Amino acid sequence: NAGVTQTPKFQVLKTGQSMTLQCAQDMNHEYMSWYRQDPGMGLRLIHYSVGAGITDQGEVPNGYNVSRSTTEDFPLRLLSAAPSQTSVYFCASSPRGTGYSPLHFGNGTRLTVT
Amino acid sequence: AQTVTQSQPEMSVQEAETVTLSCTYDTSESNYYLFWYKQPPSRQMILVIRQEAYKQQNATENRFSVNFQKAAKSFSLKISDSQLGDTAMYFCAFPSRDAGNMLTFGGGTRLMVKP
Repeated sequence: NAGVTQTPKFQVLKTGQSMTLQCAQDMNHEYMSWYRQDPGMGLRLIHYSVGAGITDQGEVPNGYNVSRSTTEDFPLRLLSAAPSQTSVYFCASSPRGTGYSPLHFGNGTRLTVT
Repeated sequence: AQTVTQSQPEMSVQEAETVTLSCTYDTSESNYYLFWYKQPPSRQMILVIRQEAYKQQNATENRFSVNFQKAAKSFSLKISDSQLGDTAMYFCAFPSRDAGNMLTFGGGTRLMVKP
């Protein structure tokens, strides 16, 4: 099994550009989520989804959009990149809510906005 | 808001010795899980151990164990016989009711195991 696959691994953007971070899982997990990791702040939840067609905001959603048209895919869109969005982004999935089951993480995307 | 706090930004330990990483959290829930994740320099997030709050027995996974004190809302990770491969960032995490029971993470503890 591939597990959770994130692409790209690295990306450099200029301020104002838009892009989509891709995330796919092959474990038929209902729950998917996006986190960003910044030094000293751990991982912070951006958006999450509890099933196809259902998304909700996390702690730091501003500047990001998501959609969940299929169980497998959960792309994260940066609408107009800003230097404050320089971070490492992780996609994760779980079969149920994390009140009951652990997260399976992708390998992360390091994004730099200049 | 439900929070998770790791008060030790950095720690070091000699190889083969024991180290304890601290974590406290805040919740009004009575039944929940708590997690420790490890992030080595490869950036991969790896589940280390999970504790169920309604179980009084502390979880153990090989050299890793937890000291769970529910009343004090404390969830520390003990690493015994530390190995060089244990060098990593360690994150404590807790499912937050404020965020659909998705995990809320502490700020992390950077552990260096010295030879």
